[in-house]
Amino acid sequence: EVLLQQSGAELVRPGSSVKISCKASGYTFTDYYMHWVKQRPEQGLVWIGRINPANGNTVYAEKFKSKATLTADKSSNTAYMQLSSLTSEDTATYFCTRSETTDYYYYFDYWGQGVMVTVSS
Amino acid sequence: DTVLTQSPALAVSLGQRVTISCRASKSVSTYMHWYQQKSGQQPKLLIYSASNLESGVPSRFSGSGSGTDFTLTIDPVEADDIANYYCQQSNELPYTFGAGTKLELK
Repeated sequence: EVLLQQSGAELVRPGSSVKISCKASGYTFTDYYMHWVKQRPEQGLVWIGRINPANGNTVYAEKFKSKATLTADKSSNTAYMQLSSLTSEDTATYFCTRSETTDYYYYFDYWGQGVMVTVSS
Repeated sequence: DTVLTQSPALAVSLGQRVTISCRASKSVSTYMHWYQQKSGQQPKLLIYSASNLESGVPSRFSGSGSGTDFTLTIDPVEADDIANYYCQQSNELPYTFGAGTKLELK
């Protein structure tokens, strides 16, 4: 069974950073890109970027290039996203989701349960 | 970026046929996918590559379209289908989602 298990909710101060995780199981970690998606309360989905766990290559949406840093640890089948210089605009639920690296249609077939990040003083 | 436009909301009756539309600002070929999201849950893949039903998804869901105009059809609508529906394109980076269509009961 494919599972993407994300870390717990975070309450963080403005100006700080946070690192959230997504542990994958039930499939070969390096055969799938890991993507990250942002959803602000009662709003839609926004793609942040993706990482290829096989080689660490990353692609980011322009607006997240200085906000998010994606990494992956093949030894533990875990992907990470660090968010920096946090503001209230970063208060959101963040999902990890995967797509097959060899299927160029890049649809997201499994999703993590989401991590709620709240930025507040 | 490719902008995807969806109607904000649709009111339906149970047992009815409903069509949810998604229009792309430029051609995305068939690189269009549909997701269902219920309140407090993660999105769920329904349709990939415009018209392919994801494994385990009921056959009352179907998708069609190519280029710039796409539709997700639910026939017949069941109570469990009341949710938000999002289209997503993967024709070009950055991948983008529509703003979502909220399916509501009449």
